[in-house]
Amino acid sequence: AQKVTQAQTEISVVEKEDVTLDCVYETRDTTYYLFWYKQPPSGELVFLIRRNSFDEQNEISGRYSWNFQKSTSSFNFTITASQVVDSAVYFCALRGGGAQKLVFGQGTRLTINP
Amino acid sequence: DTGVSQNPRHKITKRGQNVTFRCDPISEHNRLYWYRQTLGQGPEFLTYFQNEAQLEKSRLLSDRFSAERPKGSFSTLEIQRTEQGDSAMYLCASSLAAGGPETQYFGPGTRLLVL
Repeated sequence: AQKVTQAQTEISVVEKEDVTLDCVYETRDTTYYLFWYKQPPSGELVFLIRRNSFDEQNEISGRYSWNFQKSTSSFNFTITASQVVDSAVYFCALRGGGAQKLVFGQGTRLTINP
Repeated sequence: DTGVSQNPRHKITKRGQNVTFRCDPISEHNRLYWYRQTLGQGPEFLTYFQNEAQLEKSRLLSDRFSAERPKGSFSTLEIQRTEQGDSAMYLCASSLAAGGPETQYFGPGTRLLVL
């Protein structure tokens, strides 16, 4: 069975602080894909990043960075110098290599206070 | 570039009524997915299509639910004899299957409230 756990239900920080959102996954597949999506109050899921299981390189995109560690089955997401516009619910998701469906975690509600 | 669109955005209905939602995927995307999201939870997979073929259905998709994608373009999701437990956000996503890793792009969702 595949499972994604986002242990942090809610996080609240002050603007300009760095914040890390945790994601731990379980899968028996040797090939799989991990994703992060952002869901602002409007409700639409916005794609942020996809990582393949065979590519453990960390990635940085502007203020966003992702740390993928197969040894701990984690795919954590860090926002540097957070901004109020980063406030949203963030979801980590997993897709097994042979499947098409995404398995989502429960999400982390991030609030950035001015 | 037009993204995934869903209609209606909101639907309020009375228990026992039938409802139908529509999803228009990104042009040329051959895979289309339906998910359901209840309050405070992550989306849960319901079903997906490759072109017009429905290839997988979740156990969540009871016999009151039916989805179609008749011409491999837009899709409809119908719920018959709605129940209060059907109240949720129904999300549609699409992707392009081209032999490599895919990314699913989501629409704005249809929020259903069953009274």
